[in-house]
Amino acid sequence: DAKTTQPNSMESNEEEPVHLPCNHSTISGTDYIHWYRQLPSQGPEYVIHGLTSNVNNRMASLAIAEDRKSSTLILHRATLRDAAVYYCILKDGWSNDMRFGAGTRLTVKP
Amino acid sequence: NAGVTQTPKFQVLKTGQSMTLQCAQDMNHEYMSWYRQDPGMGLRLIHYSVGAGITDQGEVPNGYNVSRSTTEDFPLRLLSAAPSQTSVYFCASNSRQTDGYTFGSGTRLTVV
Repeated sequence: DAKTTQPNSMESNEEEPVHLPCNHSTISGTDYIHWYRQLPSQGPEYVIHGLTSNVNNRMASLAIAEDRKSSTLILHRATLRDAAVYYCILKDGWSNDMRFGAGTRLTVKP
Repeated sequence: NAGVTQTPKFQVLKTGQSMTLQCAQDMNHEYMSWYRQDPGMGLRLIHYSVGAGITDQGEVPNGYNVSRSTTEDFPLRLLSAAPSQTSVYFCASNSRQTDGYTFGSGTRLTVV
């Protein structure tokens, strides 16, 4: 399985942008890049996903490197409610076998 | 629209007992999955299904059985509970293999 590497933790100030990095040097052509987040005592929440092009939705933006070996999740204006563990996952588009890593714990300071 | 519903929310079992964790979705999603999450760790895939009548093993399938007789339901059965199965269990569904997942709120299981 293609794996991802994320920092264990990051800090951000409230109302500032946050850039969460993810490295995936062994990504294959059919792997989608998914991002989920998990707030304390809750189930994971889908954030965004993409294949090759940058993606935007109401929650965040996903910037994918041209060689697809890395990506960045961008929260445009962090709030205290964005404090969570963020998971970057590679998922083959032909499979429903999606495996989580340890993720990045984001702390947002007021 | 309820999304993914898991029952029960909490359960305590004695070692050796069996039980079924229920998962139902009302979004007509073809794909469903079960994960477990141990304290301080990420999620690990137990079993998944790509449609009614079709299931496959994930990363940690031992000690668990699944079946998928309808599109809506994907129950997870613990055959003989062990303390190592103490965990939080999450069910998820998605409509296409390229889509994001919707997760349930989880079942917290303790085996004593």
